[in-house]
Amino acid sequence: GENVEQHPSTLSVQEGDSAVIKCTYSDSASNYFPWYKQELGKRPQLIIDIRSNVGEKKDQRIAVTLNKTAKHFSLHITETQPEDSAVYFCAARMGQNFVFGPGTRLSVLP
Amino acid sequence: DAGVIQSPRHEVTEMGQEVTLRCKPISGHNSLFWYRQTMMRGLELLIYFNNNVPIDDSGMPEDRFSAKMPNASFSTLKIQPSEPRDSAVYFCASSLGLYNEQFFGPGTRLTVL
Repeated sequence: GENVEQHPSTLSVQEGDSAVIKCTYSDSASNYFPWYKQELGKRPQLIIDIRSNVGEKKDQRIAVTLNKTAKHFSLHITETQPEDSAVYFCAARMGQNFVFGPGTRLSVLP
Repeated sequence: DAGVIQSPRHEVTEMGQEVTLRCKPISGHNSLFWYRQTMMRGLELLIYFNNNVPIDDSGMPEDRFSAKMPNASFSTLKIQPSEPRDSAVYFCASSLGLYNEQFFGPGTRLTVL
């Protein structure tokens, strides 16, 4: 069935280092890939998204890359800060469905 | 804009009772999504509407769950009868079109005893 895998499930980095979260999807026809950040007890919020007609998108310290051939996309956060600590979800639109990955808990250590 | 509005924010009920969750999307948004979030299953899409029409309800777990969108500014998710395993945070989200940013509401934390 339609599936989005996400790795790692937890990630700890030192403040100032980079963090990378990777997702793979099963449906080659998928064409929209958002990333959401969810702080403890709060709602998910979009931080960046990418469509299948581009390979990379950047917004300040956040970037997303997409490899359609390999069916995977990654979130890159540079110069991490303590406020980046949260759970990050990738998602993919597959046909009529919208599937989220299981999430990555990122901890940025001061 | 007030963003997506959900009510109630918290609901505690007993097994077997009917539960109705409410959502008001952002004005002008034409797509509305209902999600359920638990520690075990993560974030699951239950159903979504486009222009008030249900597009895909394959995520609705059982016939006990139903959702309606009678107009562009209101949607309900109903569970009847409720069971303890329905305990979760239920999020409503809206977007302008199916391929654009979804804005989530604050969620309803449901506890079924």
